[in-house]
Order: sequence, then structure tokens, then C-alpha cells
Amino acid sequence: DAGVIQSPRHEVTEMGQEVTLRCKPISGHDYLFWYRQTMMRGLELLIYFNNNVPIDDSGMPEDRFSAKMPNASFSTLKIQPSEPRDSAVYFCASSFLGTVDYNEQFFGPGTRLTVL
Amino acid sequence: SQQGEEDPQALSIQEGENATMNCSYKTSINNLQWYRQNSGRGLVHLILIRSNEREKHSGRLRVTLDTSKKSSSLLITASRAADTASYFCAGASSNTGKLIFGQGTTLQVKP
Repeated sequence: DAGVIQSPRHEVTEMGQEVTLRCKPISGHDYLFWYRQTMMRGLELLIYFNNNVPIDDSGMPEDRFSAKMPNASFSTLKIQPSEPRDSAVYFCASSFLGTVDYNEQFFGPGTRLTVL
Repeated sequence: SQQGEEDPQALSIQEGENATMNCSYKTSINNLQWYRQNSGRGLVHLILIRSNEREKHSGRLRVTLDTSKKSSSLLITASRAADTASYFCAGASSNTGKLIFGQGTTLQVKP
């Protein structure tokens, strides 16, 4: 398996532009997570899905952020309009909750977003 | 914040020495996991310890868990330069499928 795939790896955009980040989870995994990592705030969970359904989006910072999972093999995180403070590394992770107490997450390589 | 705390924030040692990192968490957990992140990369799972376990070993890694103190430690023995990375603990919430990550410890192992 290729692991979790994210695209693009790097994105530089100007303030006010729409940004779409993409993620392909590991086949067979039923959970998908979007995280944001910054030096100041560390690793923050933005939203997660179970079987393509959003379960908890309490970490989404503002209405400018939205996420979708139209099918089990694809998810997007969209920022519209983008602002400089959105600059961060965005990670997608997936997991399979095979047993109740084992939920190792597999992370993608991340998308480094810079908003000018 | 629900995030845990890790101690120390940064650690610098010589190759061959042992490195110990500590983690405290706030919520009730099913298990506690440790992850490593190399610079510019995603997090990689290292080891998981269940809430009913007190100690676990994997190669040069030793993890302890004290649920009464809501704390865990990661020991890396005989460190190598390749162990240079950031290390994060993450508690798996008993109530959800979420992991609550700590702020991380940056480890530098000098050759």
C-alpha cells in the first residue's frame, strides 16, 4: 500500500484565494482525520470522519474552513478565503478501528501551505 | 486545551546515551501512543500501550504508563543520530476515536 497520499505537497497562494487540499486514505481504513500543525499551536485536530461521515468538526477554526469526504478513498479540506494566519502544515491521517482500543493513525506527508 | 504536556520540550544528548521523555494527559484514555516526526515529514507510529498495561518494550523503546497520575514516559536506549526527531505522545480518548496529542519533545542526538 502506498500509505496516505496528500496533494499538493506545497502550496503558496495569496490572501483571499481559495485553497483545496486533497487526501487519499489507506484502503480499508474507516477513519480519516485532518490536522493542522504550527509552531505556536502544535498539532491540532480540525475534523474527522467515520465511514465518510463527519463526526466532529469542533476543531475547524472558522467558517472559512470546510471538509468533505465524498467517498471512502478521497477527502478535501478547503479554505475560502485564505488568510496569512492559515499558513501551516496540514496533515491527513487515517486509521482502522479494528478493535475498540487500538487506533493507530497513519499520517500522510503533509501539505505545507503558505498564504502571502 | 485538551492537549497533553510533554517534558522536556527539547533534549540534546550524545550518541549512545539514553533519552527519556515524559508526557502528561488530562482525559480518560483507552491507550497511549507515541509517535515520531522527522523534520518536514508526517508522524510515524512507534508504540502503543493499553490503559491496563504498565510497561511495554519494543526494540530500543520502553514505554511506561501510570493511569493514576495520567502520565507516560518514553525511554530510548543507546540512542543513535538517526533518532533525532520530535516525539509526540497521544492519548486515545475513551469516548471517541480521537487522539489527543501532546506538544512534543524535540530530541537531538549528536554523533
